[in-house]
Amino acid sequence: AQSVTQLGSHVSVSEGALVLLRCNYSSSVPPYLFWYVQYPNQGLQLLLKYTSAATLVKGINGFEAEFKKSETSFHLTKPSAHMSDAAEYFCAVSGNQAGTALIFGKGTTLSVSS
Amino acid sequence: DTAVSQTPKYLVTQMGNDKSIKCEQNLGHDTMYWYKQDSKKFLKIMFSYNNKELIINETVPNRFSPKSPDKAHLNLHINSLELGDSAVYFCASSQEGQVSPRLWGYGYTFGSGTRLTVV
Repeated sequence: AQSVTQLGSHVSVSEGALVLLRCNYSSSVPPYLFWYVQYPNQGLQLLLKYTSAATLVKGINGFEAEFKKSETSFHLTKPSAHMSDAAEYFCAVSGNQAGTALIFGKGTTLSVSS
Repeated sequence: DTAVSQTPKYLVTQMGNDKSIKCEQNLGHDTMYWYKQDSKKFLKIMFSYNNKELIINETVPNRFSPKSPDKAHLNLHINSLELGDSAVYFCASSQEGQVSPRLWGYGYTFGSGTRLTVV
């Protein structure tokens, strides 16, 4: 079975500071990994994805993530936080066999203060 | 054009009622899903249909019944609503493929959600 664990249910940063949201995965086969963002009262929007090509993945809104197999991690970073980045962030892993679905972590709430 | 659209966006109803949520996607995807997001924002898969065939049926009460009239539509009907059914329900779609190798890497496109409140 596959799973993801997001470390830290709530992360607070100041505007302009580095954003680091942590995600560790468990998978018996090479995973496909995703980060989604959910703004208040909205659906989920794909930020970026890792599909076994480059290990450093760049996404929208200045976010990027690095796949580290040795650490089973896929942490999300952004060099400089904006107030508009405040949202809920979900890490997810793709199922690798028929009859499975995208499996989400419990989410991390990012707060950005001025 | 909205890629994955759900109706209604908000639904307030009394315990014991029956209600439906509709979902439509215009992306040409062959697989659709229902997810439930609880008050702690945890997202859990409920159902998945591939080309109108049910392929995922997680442990949900049988008061929940999905229906897929065609691969662009996936509706969710809920009988005898209970307080614990209050949540946000998200529809999503993806291109999985049936004959070709499954396109695992494309991710899902989500609708904007239906906030169900049972009073």
